[in-house]
Amino acid sequence: AQTVTQSQPEMSVQEAETVTLSCTYDTSESDYYLFWYKQPPSRQMILVIRQEAYKQQNATENRFSVNFQKAAKSFSLKISDSQLGDAAMYFCAYRKESGNTPLVFGKGTRLSVIA
Amino acid sequence: NAGVTQTPKFQVLKTGQSMTLQCAQDMNHEYMSWYRQDPGMGLRLIHYSVGAGITDQGEVPNGYNVSRSTTEDFPLRLLSAAPSQTSVYFCASSSFQGMGTQYFGPGTRLLVL
Repeated sequence: AQTVTQSQPEMSVQEAETVTLSCTYDTSESDYYLFWYKQPPSRQMILVIRQEAYKQQNATENRFSVNFQKAAKSFSLKISDSQLGDAAMYFCAYRKESGNTPLVFGKGTRLSVIA
Repeated sequence: NAGVTQTPKFQVLKTGQSMTLQCAQDMNHEYMSWYRQDPGMGLRLIHYSVGAGITDQGEVPNGYNVSRSTTEDFPLRLLSAAPSQTSVYFCASSSFQGMGTQYFGPGTRLLVL
């Protein structure tokens, strides 16, 4: 079974600085998708960024980017120019390529942003 | 589009009571799922459905029932509530097309006394 591990239960970053959240996963599949979701205090799950495993180029979305290392099964999230609104729980998730398969989540990393 | 909606937002139950958490989506998504979120546990899959009339169990299905009679709706039933079912429940949906990104409802906070 696939598993997703987020080894940092909590992280903190100074406003305007850069922080990297770690995620590793275990799978025997060659094609799959990876996601980062943000959950602010409102509890709404918000998609931050996603990556297709067959693409070597790392995905970027404004201040958010990933470092996808397929051989190492690593999918870290980098947040640049951190803002107070970035404070949230961040979840890494994995899904097999087939669209009718469940999403597997890590346990999350709580990010605090210090003014 | 309303996206994924869930009702109620918050509910208090007594042990042994039953209730149904409602979930609806207006995006014509084939895939729908229910998760529960507990502190330090991330999101755990309860049940999922790949289309009307088709459901399957996830990681933590005990004590919950689902059905999918239409594409839009995917209710979650608690048959006899227990304090261990105190949690936040999320419904999500996705299309089979593309990356199958899941879109989440706002969640239902359930307290079982």
